[in-house]
Amino acid sequence: EAGVVQSPRYKIIEKKQPVAFWCNPISGHNTLYWYRQNLGQGPELLIRYENEEAVDDSQLPKDRFSAERLKGVDSTLKIQPAELGDSAVYLCASSPNLRGRSSYNEQFFGPGTRLTVL
Amino acid sequence: AQSVTQLGSHVSVSEGALVLLRCNYSSSVPPYLFWYVQYPNQGLQLLLKYTTGATLVKGINGFEAEFKKSETSFHLTKPSAHMSDAAEYFCAVSFAGGYQKVTFGTGTKLQVIP
Repeated sequence: EAGVVQSPRYKIIEKKQPVAFWCNPISGHNTLYWYRQNLGQGPELLIRYENEEAVDDSQLPKDRFSAERLKGVDSTLKIQPAELGDSAVYLCASSPNLRGRSSYNEQFFGPGTRLTVL
Repeated sequence: AQSVTQLGSHVSVSEGALVLLRCNYSSSVPPYLFWYVQYPNQGLQLLLKYTTGATLVKGINGFEAEFKKSETSFHLTKPSAHMSDAAEYFCAVSFAGGYQKVTFGTGTKLQVIP
C-alpha cells in the first residue's frame, strides 16, 4: 500500500514569493491534515479536512495561508506571500474516516516538504 | 487543554544500553497517548499507543511504554539500544470521543554511541 505522498520534498524561495505544497493521502483515507513543524519542535496542526470540508482551520494564518481539497482526495497548501518565519517542514497526514467512531484513529504521515525562505 | 512535556531534548546512550525517554502529560480527561519516531528527512511513524486497557503497551522495534496515571507519565523504554534507533521521538496526547486534536511534544533526539 502506498503511503502519503508529498511534493516537492524541498523548496527554497525568497521572501514575498508564493509557494505551494501538494499532498496525496493514502487511498480511502477521508481525513487529511496539514501540520507545520518548526526546527526543534513537534508538529502543529494547521488544518484538518473531512473529505473536501475544512473542519478545523483555527490555526491556519488566513492572511497568507490557504488550502484546498477540491475532490476530497489530494490537497494543496499555499503560502502567499512567504515570510522568513515560514521556514519549516510542512507535513501532510491522513487517517481513515472518523464518522461513527469514538476510538483512536491513527494518522499516517508523509515525508514532508522542507521550506526555506531567504 | 492537553499538553505533553518531554524531558531532555537530546539523549545519548551506548549501543546495548537501556533507552529511557521521558514524557509527562496534562489532560483533564482520560488521555490517549502515543509515541512517534521520526528518522531524518522522513515523516512521523507511530511506535505505540495507549488508549484503554493494559497500561503496559508494546510497540514496534522492541519499544514499550507504561501509562502511569498517578504520575501522569508515559515513558518510552527499550532494553537494549541499537544503532538504528537513532532518531527523534515525539510523545503525543489526545483523548476519546470522536475526533480529538493530537498535541505533540517538542521531541527528544536519541543518539546511540557505538
